[in-house]
Amino acid sequence: NAGVTQTPKFRILKIGQSMTLQCTQDMNHNYMYWYRQDPGMGLKLIYYSVGAGITDKGEVPNGYNVSRSTTEDFPLRLELAAPSQTSVYFCASSYSENWAFFGQGTRLTVV
Amino acid sequence: QKEVEQDPGPLSVPEGAIVSLNCTYSNSAFQYFMWYRQYSRKGPELLMYTYSSGNKEDGRFTAQVDKSSKYISLFIRDSQPSDSATYLCAMRHNQGGKLIFGQGTELSVKP
Repeated sequence: NAGVTQTPKFRILKIGQSMTLQCTQDMNHNYMYWYRQDPGMGLKLIYYSVGAGITDKGEVPNGYNVSRSTTEDFPLRLELAAPSQTSVYFCASSYSENWAFFGQGTRLTVV
Repeated sequence: QKEVEQDPGPLSVPEGAIVSLNCTYSNSAFQYFMWYRQYSRKGPELLMYTYSSGNKEDGRFTAQVDKSSKYISLFIRDSQPSDSATYLCAMRHNQGGKLIFGQGTELSVKP
């Protein structure tokens, strides 16, 4: 099993550009999450999904969009990238109320 | 007020010491409590998982939940240099959905 796979691992964006961070899981988990992690700030929830076709905002959703058309995939879209979106992004998945498994992260720099 | 509060440290201890890591929370609806360990430039990995109140032990690690005080702890006995990492507490509601993290505590165990 690959677990939770995120691509790309690294990316540099220019201000105003857009991109999609990909996340896929092969554990048939119904819950999926996107977090961002800034130095010394822990993990902040951007969006989450409790199943295909259902998404909801987390603590810091502004500037991001998500979709969940399949159980396996949960892409995160950045529109009009800003320097404040420079961060490490983690995707995670879980089976209902169980613990979450994390991907290895995407390091994004906006210049 | 943040839903979950955790002292970010850093915390430095000598090898063999007992380490105590703590989180407080404000939402009495939290029922599932987790501790994650995160090594530098890696994704978080689950260390301990507890439902509701009580203690749970796994080798050198003990997790405690005191719901009356809204306080959770992780104890590490006979700490090792390999325990040097950031430790994040996490919790979620009984109805599932959002998984909320503390800021993380950076631990360094010196040989």
